[in-house]
Amino acid sequence: DAKTTQPPSMDCAEGRAANLPCNHSTISGNEYVYWYRQIHSQGPQYIIHGLKNNETNEMASLIITEDRKSSTLILPHATLRDTAVYYCIVRAPWGAGSYQLTFGKGTKLSVIP
Amino acid sequence: KAGVTQTPRYLIKTRGQQVTLSCSPISGHRSVSWYQQTPGQGLQFLFEYFSETQRNKGNFPGRFSGRQFSNSRSEMNVSTLELGDSALYLCASSLAYGVANTEAFFGQGTRLTVV
Repeated sequence: DAKTTQPPSMDCAEGRAANLPCNHSTISGNEYVYWYRQIHSQGPQYIIHGLKNNETNEMASLIITEDRKSSTLILPHATLRDTAVYYCIVRAPWGAGSYQLTFGKGTKLSVIP
Repeated sequence: KAGVTQTPRYLIKTRGQQVTLSCSPISGHRSVSWYQQTPGQGLQFLFEYFSETQRNKGNFPGRFSGRQFSNSRSEMNVSTLELGDSALYLCASSLAYGVANTEAFFGQGTRLTVV
């Protein structure tokens, strides 16, 4: 799977948008970008994933650059409950078979009141 | 619908003992993966099961094993426990095996402490 690079930590004011960047410059054309988050001592929570197009769901938006070398996860109105470690993962496509997720160190997002 | 259920939530074992952890996936999900999380190594993939067969295995010693039953429930076993096995063990379920465009859902984990 392609390697990802994320800033180790970020702060965001409550109520503002949180923009979490991820660099995946070696991504292959058929690899997906996944985002998970982990609130302290809980299991990781799926947020969103995408291939080429921008995606939006009830939790967040995912913006993938046209060259697919980077992406940004956007939490539109951050709350204190969004304080967590956010993981950007590039996942091998079908054919590799496994659903193995390779977690990096992620970004520790702190939402400040 | 119910999420991924892991039991027990907390466990304390003595070095040298063995332990069995259980995972019940989301109803209808047939693939189960296991991960170990420690402060030093982060989240690391242990193994994945689908249709009662281990499909993929991470870089862990043979003391770590698992199995999946016909109802998709899975267990993992660690024999001859070492202090370094103290960790949060997480189970994730997904709908099927080998499907790229699908997500995995994690349980709350089992916190294992080896003393």
